[in-house]
Amino acid sequence: QSALTQPPSASGSPGQSVTISCTGTSSDVGGYNYVSWYQQHPGKAPKLMIYEVSKRPSGVPDRFSGSKSGNTASLTVSGLQAEDEADYYCSSYAGSNSPSVFGGGTKLTVL
Amino acid sequence: EVQLVESGGGLIQPGGSLRLSCAASGFTVSSNYMSWVRQAPGKGLEWVSVIYSGGSTYYADSVKGRFTISRDNSKNTLYLQMNSLRAEDTAVYYCASLSQTAYYGYWGQGTLVTVSS
Repeated sequence: QSALTQPPSASGSPGQSVTISCTGTSSDVGGYNYVSWYQQHPGKAPKLMIYEVSKRPSGVPDRFSGSKSGNTASLTVSGLQAEDEADYYCSSYAGSNSPSVFGGGTKLTVL
Repeated sequence: EVQLVESGGGLIQPGGSLRLSCAASGFTVSSNYMSWVRQAPGKGLEWVSVIYSGGSTYYADSVKGRFTISRDNSKNTLYLQMNSLRAEDTAVYYCASLSQTAYYGYWGQGTLVTVSS
């Protein structure tokens, strides 16, 4: 399975919104509503932010939202805050023998 | 509270073997899907292996035939036996719970494996 495609970087000023894309194929992103997003701060383990395309776990601010259209999923962070600066990874189900394929990651910078 | 604690990482020479452990608390390893995910220095996340609750196991092509995932139900612990290690296996290895809809809900803190002579 090839990795999903994410832009290497994204940025925005505090209070602004930014959207990160995640492009796959009909065998992963486009084939299932099983896309998830993870936030990772330096030296820390990843943290689940969005699951099943658009659901937020308890404790994740509603500033974070997810969507999908065709083979591309998106993560939108609204009302950017300094603590949102981190790496973000998407993941998608790609079959029982390849339960997840990750994107290459996007470094979000809050200007 | 769910906790996953990895151990067993370290410096190993190319061709060597290492066994990683992931001890779980507040969570039953055998009743859940469990995965190993790794992250090479400065790189992204890479799925390595999964063991389903029924016992089926699967591996990324990059480790197939060299790594073995297993669990000890009595110790509530997940393992990753890594043989024939290569420099490109150098990474932080995370154990994580995998939901039935393919998201990782719980992660360990990671353990660093360095393959170098």
